[in-house]
Amino acid sequence: SQQGEEDPQALSIQEGENATMNCSYKTSINNLQWYRQNSGRGLVHLILIRSNEREKHSGRLRVTLDTSKKSSSLLITASRAADTASYFCATDADAGNMLTFGGGTRLMVKP
Amino acid sequence: ETGVTQTPRHLVMGMTNKKSLKCEQHLGHNAMYWYKQSAKKPLELMFVYNFKEQTENNSVPSRFSPECPNSSHLFLHLHTLQPEDSALYLCASSQAQGARLGYGYTFGSGTRLTVV
Repeated sequence: SQQGEEDPQALSIQEGENATMNCSYKTSINNLQWYRQNSGRGLVHLILIRSNEREKHSGRLRVTLDTSKKSSSLLITASRAADTASYFCATDADAGNMLTFGGGTRLMVKP
Repeated sequence: ETGVTQTPRHLVMGMTNKKSLKCEQHLGHNAMYWYKQSAKKPLELMFVYNFKEQTENNSVPSRFSPECPNSSHLFLHLHTLQPEDSALYLCASSQAQGARLGYGYTFGSGTRLTVV
């Protein structure tokens, strides 16, 4: 099944800096979602962007979608230590109409 | 709490044991999912239930047996597991099945399973 692929696999920044994570996928999609997972916990839905949207904001989160490049980015501005987590993109590109997840980006924000 | 509750949080079982994982949601969602998360691997979809009916079995070995008695409850029955089955098992729900509809998934906190 089709998966998004996040880049980088791991990212370490200082508190207050911005963090950017990227997601690439291979076939056309109707929507793309971003999730956060704190260590050993379940995933939390952050934001959904539809294929006809180019940018969405939610608090300190900014998501962009470039369907021509089949890629999305998640920007976290003014990062905090509490943002330390793994971030996953998920797409509906699977032929079975299932949500499929990428391998995630592990973000560490140092205080 | 996300609205999806999984029990137990941790489980250690021998290869000859039989145990069950439980998932419960009271969000009014109609679709429920089991995922397996192993170290350094993407999330693996195992089973999907929509309105209590199983709609997806992602080639999961028969030692994993799901049960969905109603739209609010989902079980994963385990028997004669192998050490490589050790993982975090996540339950999720969504308003409806069908990723193209664009509904977000609500996940439970997971059950950390260790097979010894």
